[in-house]
Order: sequence, then C-alpha cells, then structure tokens
Amino acid sequence: GEDVEQSLFLSVREGDSSVINCTYTDSSSTYLYWYKQEPGAGLQLLTYIFSNMDMKQDQRLTVLLNKKDKHLSLRIADTQTGDSAIYFCAERGGSQGNLIFGKGTKLSVKP
Amino acid sequence: ETGVTQTPRHLVMGMTNKKSLKCEQHLGHNAMYWYKQSAKKPLELMFVYSLEERVENNSVPSRFSPECPNSSHLFLHLHTLQPEDSALYLCASSPTTGTENIQYFGAGTRLSVL
Repeated sequence: GEDVEQSLFLSVREGDSSVINCTYTDSSSTYLYWYKQEPGAGLQLLTYIFSNMDMKQDQRLTVLLNKKDKHLSLRIADTQTGDSAIYFCAERGGSQGNLIFGKGTKLSVKP
Repeated sequence: ETGVTQTPRHLVMGMTNKKSLKCEQHLGHNAMYWYKQSAKKPLELMFVYSLEERVENNSVPSRFSPECPNSSHLFLHLHTLQPEDSALYLCASSPTTGTENIQYFGAGTRLSVL
C-alpha cells in the first residue's frame, strides 16, 4: 500500500544546515511536497517537486529527489530558530490525486 | 493567511453534544478536504469534495457528517463523538483534485471530546 516514512525528530544548531529525509512507496507519484506546520497552525506548503526533476532550489531550501530509491530530502541552509516546526513530506497518490502524508519530522533549532 | 479560514479554532464537547466545524475558502478553488491530525499519526484524509460533490469518504464513522453547500464552504457536523475523536481537524482546498493538486490548509480546529 501507499506509505510515506520520515524520521520523527531532528535537532540542529542555528546556522547549520538541516536535512530532512523521506521515503515513499508509490512509484507512480507525479508530485512530491514538503509542508511546514508551526505550533498551533495549519500546514503551509513550502515547496514541491515534479517527479521528472532531480533537484529544485528555492532560496534556502533545496529539494533532492532520487526516484530510483523513492527518496526525497529537504535541505534548509543556514537554519534559523524560526525554522523550528514540524515538516511533512507528502506524495500524490490514491484516487482523485489525494495527498499521502508522512508523520512529520519535528525540527528543533538550538541557538 | 492562506485564504482558508476555519472556525472555531478550539472546541470542547461532551460525547452527547452536537456541534459543527466550519471551513471557508476565498481562493476560488473547486475542491475541499477534511483531514484529522492525531498525535504521532500521519494526517488522515476524511472527506474530499469536488464541485460540491463528495468524491471520497475514507471509511469515516457516521458520527462525522460532512456538508458542502457551495464550493467556498465546507462543514463537518459532529454528534455522539468518542474521546478518541479528540484531534486537530484541518480543512484544505485546491484548484481541482488532479494535476498539481496543491492544497492550501486552514489553521485547524482543535477538538477535545470529554
């Protein structure tokens, strides 16, 4: 069945790079997404990547896609305390193109 | 502000109460969704509406009853809930249900069932 796996926690120091990893199972996924959820808030779309791309960069964010291994990563350069949040990986799957989410990775940034 | 507004933000209800969650989107989208977010579990898709028609119902108990009177509004009617229904309920909308399917989320309603 469809499944998206992420590690639950990541802790980094301010100014370091953060790398959040995700694996997915649906090889037919056409789009993969990263969402951010700050405390008490809903999910905010950070970025997405089409499956025919290997990499996408947007300011401090770099998304890498290894379609062969079904592995997606999100790199945040120069991580700031404001980046502390839960990051969700999602693939488009299921009927009607629904999103399948991972459990989320809680990123803690220490000063 | 994502253009998707959910009310109330917090709700406490007893197991015998009836309440409704409301979602409104100002983005001109045609699809709307209800998700349940419980601690330590992935987001669970509950219902999908496309052009005001329900297109998916993921085996959700009948004590949750959705309503989509128009493409801008989505409700979740609640009755005789159980304590395990306590969670954050998120509404989302997207232009359609296909192609890029970028979903925009509201801030959620935090529901506590006593």
